[in-house]
Amino acid sequence: GAVVSQHPSRVICKSGTSVKIECRSLDFQATTMFWYRQFPKQSLMLMATSNEGSKATYEQGVEKDKFLINHASLTLSTLTVTSAHPEDSSFYICSASGRGSTDTQYFGPGTRLTVL
Amino acid sequence: GDSVTQMEGPVTLSEEAFLTINCTYTATGYPSLFWYVQYPGEGLQLLLKATKADDKGSNKGFEATYRKETTSFHLEKGSVQVSDSAVYFCALLKGTGRRALTFGSGTRLQVQP
Repeated sequence: GAVVSQHPSRVICKSGTSVKIECRSLDFQATTMFWYRQFPKQSLMLMATSNEGSKATYEQGVEKDKFLINHASLTLSTLTVTSAHPEDSSFYICSASGRGSTDTQYFGPGTRLTVL
Repeated sequence: GDSVTQMEGPVTLSEEAFLTINCTYTATGYPSLFWYVQYPGEGLQLLLKATKADDKGSNKGFEATYRKETTSFHLEKGSVQVSDSAVYFCALLKGTGRRALTFGSGTRLQVQP
């Protein structure tokens, strides 16, 4: 199946700093990418949807100025957590879907963010 | 809005036992239904899917049938193995509009030798 990678897999940062997480589709063109957040022992909550070359669409309650999403190419999307605080500590997961298979999403392995 | 409800876990079974994880959904229209599995320390993997009523998805011995009349998509396996220990997520995808998945809360399965 298609492969989606995320980098870094883990990151620890100080409160107030910004962190960038990359999501790449390695063997297909991802026309749409999704960013989810997963709290411990809970389900995935959709944060935003991004289409290549367009502004991301954020879910209600997600601060777009805090969680900056860029989807500049068909293989790369980035999520930047700006001025991170301890409450932003979580597991962030991206997924991607391509042309012709819009009902199938391929998930990255996730990024564990810890804000001290 | 759309929602997916799964049975709470953890579910603890002995090896070779029969598994059922219940999943029901609420959605308008005709969603596609999915089961994803998350092994410890890994990302979500698609386990199986069904795109219309009465379809049966199957993979690795797991099965689920799309039941429109009961709005259910229960996951079953006849004989579980220790390696099946993971968290299982039921999800739906609407046929039109926003193409993001709506997930259930996940059910943790622990299989003991």
